Amino acid sequence: GAVVSQHPSRVICKSGTSVKIECRSLDFQATTMFWYRQFPKQSLMLMATSNEGSKATYEQGVEKDKFLINHASLTLSTLTVTSAHPEDSSFYICSASDRGPTDTQYFGPGTRLTVL
Amino acid sequence: QKEVEQNSGPLSVPEGAIASLNCTYSDRVSQSFFWYRQYSGKSPELIMSIYSNGDKEDGRFTAQLNKASQYVSLLIRDSQPSDSATYLCAVGGETSGSRLTFGEGTQLTVNP
Repeated sequence: GAVVSQHPSRVICKSGTSVKIECRSLDFQATTMFWYRQFPKQSLMLMATSNEGSKATYEQGVEKDKFLINHASLTLSTLTVTSAHPEDSSFYICSASDRGPTDTQYFGPGTRLTVL
Repeated sequence: QKEVEQNSGPLSVPEGAIASLNCTYSDRVSQSFFWYRQYSGKSPELIMSIYSNGDKEDGRFTAQLNKASQYVSLLIRDSQPSDSATYLCAVGGETSGSRLTFGEGTQLTVNP
């Protein structure tokens, strides 16, 4: 099956700093990548959809200036949490789709962010 | 009304039994349907996808889709303790590459 990696898997940072999370599709070209956030005991919340070479589409209520998304190539998308605060602490998960016949999203292993 | 609804959990079954997970969706134009398994503290893992009406079997898992009733289910035969996880139903849109809409998930516990 298709493999999606994320880096780092876990990060702890001080309030006010910025954190960059990378999402890579390892064995396929991902024309579309999705970024989710998940709080404990809750379901996935889609934050934004990014298409290679174009601006990301953010879901309602997600601040685009705080969560910067770059999808510069067909295998890499990055999410930067700017000026992180404790309330941004969460589990961030990316997924990638090849938009092929099966239209399947494959998830990365996730990044657990803790803001002190 | 939620766009994707799953049967409320938690669901508990004995080892070796059949676990039945259900999901209904509201958007009639949906074309793709997925079941993901998520262990605590981990990201979702795809276990089944289904696109046309009927049954699709993969090992101990069987997905069933009825577009007329807007209903999709997952059966797990010979349930094992390792199947204990949260199962997420996800529904795609009308076109390829569209976002998935997830249900809240059903927590399954298989008791030895």
